[in-house]
Amino acid sequence: EDQVTQSPEALRLQEGESSSLNCSYTVSGLRGLFWYRQDPGKGPEFLFTLYSAGEEKEKERLKATLTKKESFLHITAPKPEDSATYLCAVQAGSNYQLIWGAGTKLIIKP
Amino acid sequence: DGGITQSPKYLFRKEGQNVTLSCEQNLNHDAMYWYRQDPGQGLRLIYYSQIVNDFQKGDIAEGYSVSREKKESFPLTVTSAQKNPTAFYLCASSPRPRGGASKETQYFGPGTRLLVL
Repeated sequence: EDQVTQSPEALRLQEGESSSLNCSYTVSGLRGLFWYRQDPGKGPEFLFTLYSAGEEKEKERLKATLTKKESFLHITAPKPEDSATYLCAVQAGSNYQLIWGAGTKLIIKP
Repeated sequence: DGGITQSPKYLFRKEGQNVTLSCEQNLNHDAMYWYRQDPGQGLRLIYYSQIVNDFQKGDIAEGYSVSREKKESFPLTVTSAQKNPTAFYLCASSPRPRGGASKETQYFGPGTRLLVL
């Protein structure tokens, strides 16, 4: 069964303390892996799409990487405004529907 | 400004009542989606539509209905048959289904929170 698991469920960091969020997946024929940011009470905001193992993408303090089994979202020197829930989703095989992880809630304390 | 709008932001449903959530997009996207989000769970797909006048059930379609009469609009009706409707409902759209993963990035509206009185 296709599955996406995000860890940890929640992560508390001090401002400036770098860390990584994990998205592991078991699917047949990965077509794309998507990262989104979601603020409380709002819709998810698209961040990145990764297509193949070894690919990396960056945006400000965020960097997403992809291997054959998982993706990491690295956050460098985070600020309080980076606090949000980060969602990961995978598209696989001939089914263009997305398979979603439950998200990681990131809290950055000043 | 191109984007996806959802209304209302909050919706209250009484027992036995059908309610309709609005979703409109001006991105000229072909595909539209409805998701339900519950605390601690991943997004779950209710219905999706690849083209006008066509739509398919997702993983949790029971108790919901949709229509796609215009490319820009994809309203969702939560019927009285949905016994646990309290959730955050998200509408999304993507440029073109099955056009390669780059064409299938989904963009989301701001959401509607449905509560039961």
